[in-house]
Amino acid sequence: SQKIEQNSEALNIQEGKTATLTCNYTNYSPAYLQWYRQDPGRGPVFLLLIRENEKEKRKERLKVTFDTTLKQSLFHITASQPADSATYLCALDPPSNSGYALNFGKGTSLLVTP
Amino acid sequence: DADVTQTPRNRITKTGKRIMLECSQTKGHDRMYWYRQDPGLGLRLIYYSFDVKDINKGEISDGYSVSRQAQAKFSLSLESAIPNQTALYFCATATFDEQFFGPGTRLTVL
Repeated sequence: SQKIEQNSEALNIQEGKTATLTCNYTNYSPAYLQWYRQDPGRGPVFLLLIRENEKEKRKERLKVTFDTTLKQSLFHITASQPADSATYLCALDPPSNSGYALNFGKGTSLLVTP
Repeated sequence: DADVTQTPRNRITKTGKRIMLECSQTKGHDRMYWYRQDPGLGLRLIYYSFDVKDINKGEISDGYSVSRQAQAKFSLSLESAIPNQTALYFCATATFDEQFFGPGTRLTVL
């Protein structure tokens, strides 16, 4: 069955450093992958989408890579700020018969300290 | 105003009670979804709908039912609530490229 893995351990980094979060998947060949941000007690918010034929995507301080050979996506936040502290979820598009309901990873918590 | 709204935002109920969670959207999307989120388990899909006549079960639909009253409204019901349905529930709408989540309903079943 399809499996999506994100680091369950929280990532603690210092302000100004680059945060790198990992999303690995198995038994899966997604056409695209999405990253969401979730603050405690609130709904996830879309950040970026990257397609299988794209190696890298950027948006302001965010960068996402997608390696279909390694079955891995990396999510980078450069010049991190305390306001970036949140849980980050990766989500993969489903098999074509499941109604375009994304499969979400369990998320990685990021804490940026001043 | 928020694009996706959920009511109530918090609810405490007792085992065996019938509960309805409501979701409304102003984005005009056909696709709507209900998820639950539990600590350590992530987001899990309960039901999804493509339009008022197209309702589909997700991975954890047992104990739940839904109603798509209109394009903009998608309700989730717990016919007889049980304690392990205590969770944070999210409604979402979607385009092909993005999902838009509501603020969530925190449900506690005693």
